[in-house]
Amino acid sequence: NAGVTQTPKFQVLKTGQSMTLQCAQDMNHEYMSWYRQDPGMGLRLIHYSVGAGITDQGEVPNGYNVSRSTTEDFPLRLLSAAPSQTSVYFCASSYGAGGYLANNEQFFGPGTRLTVL
Amino acid sequence: GDSVTQMEGPVTLSEEAFLTINCTYTATGYPSLFWYVQYPGEGLQLLLKATKADDKGSNKGFEATYRKETTSFHLEKGSVQVSDSAVYFCALSLWGYQKVTFGTGTKLQVIP
Repeated sequence: NAGVTQTPKFQVLKTGQSMTLQCAQDMNHEYMSWYRQDPGMGLRLIHYSVGAGITDQGEVPNGYNVSRSTTEDFPLRLLSAAPSQTSVYFCASSYGAGGYLANNEQFFGPGTRLTVL
Repeated sequence: GDSVTQMEGPVTLSEEAFLTINCTYTATGYPSLFWYVQYPGEGLQLLLKATKADDKGSNKGFEATYRKETTSFHLEKGSVQVSDSAVYFCALSLWGYQKVTFGTGTKLQVIP
């Protein structure tokens, strides 16, 4: 098992550019999520999905879009990059959603370090 | 809303010292509690968890006890090693909710 994979590892964008961060998992997990990690702020949830075709917003969704067409993939799109989106982005997956999420481990990818100039 | 508060870091300890990282939580129900660890340049990985009051989670010499009366889940290790240097995150998740709430993380540096 590769677990959770993310590409790219590093990315530099100019303000206004768009891009997609890729995330894939091979554990057949229903639940997938995107976080951003900023100094002094821990991890903040951007968007999440409880299964193919179902997505919802987390606490900081503005400026980001997601879709979930397959169980395996959960890409994160930056529509028009801004310097405030400079961060480290983590994708995570977990078995089950709803009540089951409370008892189950989340598996994290290695992260994408994004810089917006 | 639900929240997790961790002690500020960084924490610097000598090898073989005793470690405590404090974590307290606020939640509307009875959460499951987690400690995740992030080694330099990597994603987070689960260290231990407890799903109900008075449960003790343990792994790799680390322990934490779910204390409902003090709403706490402090992480302890009796003798730290240089390889324990990492950032430690306390987290909670409520049954029926679709998210995990993380604390801000505590950086631990262990010096030889």
